[in-house]
Amino acid sequence: AQSVAQPEDQVNVAEGNPLTVKCTYSVSGNPYLFWYVQYPNRGLQFLLKYITGDNLVKGSYGFEAEFNKSQTSFHLKKPSALVSDSALYFCAVRDVKNDYKLSFGAGTTVTVRA
Amino acid sequence: GAGVSQSPSNKVTEKGKDVELRCDPISGHTALYWYRQSLGQGLEFLIYFQGNSAPDKSGLPSDRFSAERTGGSVSTLTIQRTQQEDSAVYLCASSLQEGNTIYFGEGSWLTVV
Repeated sequence: AQSVAQPEDQVNVAEGNPLTVKCTYSVSGNPYLFWYVQYPNRGLQFLLKYITGDNLVKGSYGFEAEFNKSQTSFHLKKPSALVSDSALYFCAVRDVKNDYKLSFGAGTTVTVRA
Repeated sequence: GAGVSQSPSNKVTEKGKDVELRCDPISGHTALYWYRQSLGQGLEFLIYFQGNSAPDKSGLPSDRFSAERTGGSVSTLTIQRTQQEDSAVYLCASSLQEGNTIYFGEGSWLTVV
């Protein structure tokens, strides 16, 4: 079975400071990893994904994530957070062997204060 | 259309009534998913369609829930005899094929009173 853990329910940072949202995963085979963002009363927007290749993945709005196989992690990062980054962030995983079903973490609420 | 389209965007229904939620995937996308997002429950997989293959219904919570996909495009999620615990956001998503990025619609917000 595949699963995702987002250990922090909430992350609070000041505008201009680095932002990190943590994610660890568990799959039986190789993972496909994704980050989505959800703004209030909206659907999920795709941010970035890791399929294969370079462990550092760059995505939308200046976000990036690093795949670490030994630590089974895929943390989301942004060097300088904006107030507009305040939202709910979801990490998700697909197992290559069962590659259509996406399993989500519980989500992390990010608040960036001015 | 440019994205996944869902209707209605909001639905308030009385307990015991049936509801239908519609999803129009991105043109050309063969894979279609339904997920449910409940307050404090995260995102729950409901059902998956891929082309003409038999759907994966393993996530449907009870036999009151059903879904169909006509002509490999539009999908309808039906909830019969709605209960208050069915109140949630129902998210539809599609992808070009298995293994590709899944894109979500804005969701249908269902409230059962």
